[in-house]
Amino acid sequence: AQKITQTQPGMFVQEKEAVTLDCTYDTSDQSYGLFWYKQPSSGEMIFLIYQGSYDEQNATEGRYSLNFQKARKSANLVISASQLGDSAMYFCAMNPESNRLAFGKGNQVVVIP
Amino acid sequence: NAGVTQTPKFQVLKTGQSMTLQCAQDMNHEYMSWYRQDPGMGLRLIHYSVGAGITDQGEVPNGYNVSRSTTEDFPLRLLSAAPSQTSVYFCASRQQGATEVFFGQGTRLTVV
Repeated sequence: AQKITQTQPGMFVQEKEAVTLDCTYDTSDQSYGLFWYKQPSSGEMIFLIYQGSYDEQNATEGRYSLNFQKARKSANLVISASQLGDSAMYFCAMNPESNRLAFGKGNQVVVIP
Repeated sequence: NAGVTQTPKFQVLKTGQSMTLQCAQDMNHEYMSWYRQDPGMGLRLIHYSVGAGITDQGEVPNGYNVSRSTTEDFPLRLLSAAPSQTSVYFCASRQQGATEVFFGQGTRLTVV
């Protein structure tokens, strides 16, 4: 079974600063995808960024970038220039070869002005 | 531009009652899934489907049934609701070969 680990406690970050959210995963699959989702207090799941296991470049989407270190099985999310609207829960997820998307327990981020 | 639609958004059930959570998508996606989210937990996979007529169990399938008679619809049935099934339920869909997973807005279920 796939396992996603997000162990950081709730994080406070100053507005306009960068924040890094840690995610490690465990899989024996050779091909897989890694995702980050944002869940604001309203509850919806918002897709942020995707990294394929064979992608050589780290994924970037606007202020979001994924620091993918395959050998260490880590897929950290970096949010640059934090905004108040970034306050939310952030979930790391992995889509293995079985297509059973598995989620970590999430990181709570609070952006303070 | 509906995407993934879940109904109802909120539901209160009594222990032992049965009900069906509806999920429909209008994007012709092959893959559909049901997840539950409990406090302090990520989303856990209940059941999923890779196409009409094909379903399989996820991580926490007990107490739930699914069927996939059409590409568009993937209902989740609670046969005899228990307080342990109090949770927020998400339906999701994805195009085969694509990376983005689309989620519904969620159904908040309380079993008393």
